[in-house]
Amino acid sequence: QKEVEQNSGPLSVPEGAIASLNCTYSDRGSQSFFWYRQYSGKSPELIMFIYSNGDKEDGRFTAQLNKASQYVSLLIRDSQPSDSATYLCAPADYKLSFGAGTTVTVRA
Amino acid sequence: SQTIHQWPATLVQPVGSPLSLECTVEGTSNPNLYWYRQAAGRGLQLLFYSVGIGQISSEVPQNLSASRPQDRQFILSSKKLLLSDSGFYLCAWSESQGLFSPLHFGNGTRLTVT
Repeated sequence: QKEVEQNSGPLSVPEGAIASLNCTYSDRGSQSFFWYRQYSGKSPELIMFIYSNGDKEDGRFTAQLNKASQYVSLLIRDSQPSDSATYLCAPADYKLSFGAGTTVTVRA
Repeated sequence: SQTIHQWPATLVQPVGSPLSLECTVEGTSNPNLYWYRQAAGRGLQLLFYSVGIGQISSEVPQNLSASRPQDRQFILSSKKLLLSDSGFYLCAWSESQGLFSPLHFGNGTRLTVT
C-alpha cells in the first residue's frame, strides 16, 4: 500500500470558487504534512505545513489535518487561474514520500 | 540564504550512454540531499537520499547510482541509460536538524533517452 494517496484529478473549478483537495495516508505515525504546488514543467514549491489536528490558514489556502481519520486536505478559496497546478502532499518525515498529486485547473 | 544549483537543465542522451547529473547546495552545512524522478504525468519517485558524506540510501533498485563526494554535492549517475530512464530529475535538500524540515528543490533536469 502506498504511503500517501491522492485523487489525481484533474479537478476543474471556475474562477472564484473553492478547490478542495484530499490526501489520505497509511502510516499512523505520520504527525505532520507538507503541501507543495508544482506548475507544469517546474519544480515543486512549498505552500503549507500542518502539524496539528484542525485547520491552518495562510491567505487563500487552508490546510486541514485529521489524524484519527488519517487524511489531510487543502482548500483553495477564491481560486485564480494562477492556482492551476498540481498539488502534492507529503508526510514530514525525512524521506518525504509524495503522493501522485492532484492537478487543478481554474477556468476563467 | 541557501541556494541549490542543478545542471544541466535539459539533456538528450542515446540508449546505452552514461549519465552524470550534478547538484550543489550553498549557504547551509550538512544538509540532507535527495534525488527524485518524475516520469511524464506521474508523481515524484524518491531515488536516493543522503544524510552525510558517503552515506547514500537507495529507494528503488535500478541502473542508477548516487554519490556524495562533498558535504553539499550530490551526483546522480548511470553507466548505461535505458529508455525508461527518461523523466524529470529533481535534486532537493532539507535541513538535517529539527523535526519538520521541508524540501527545497532545484530547477530540475529534463532527461530524454532516445
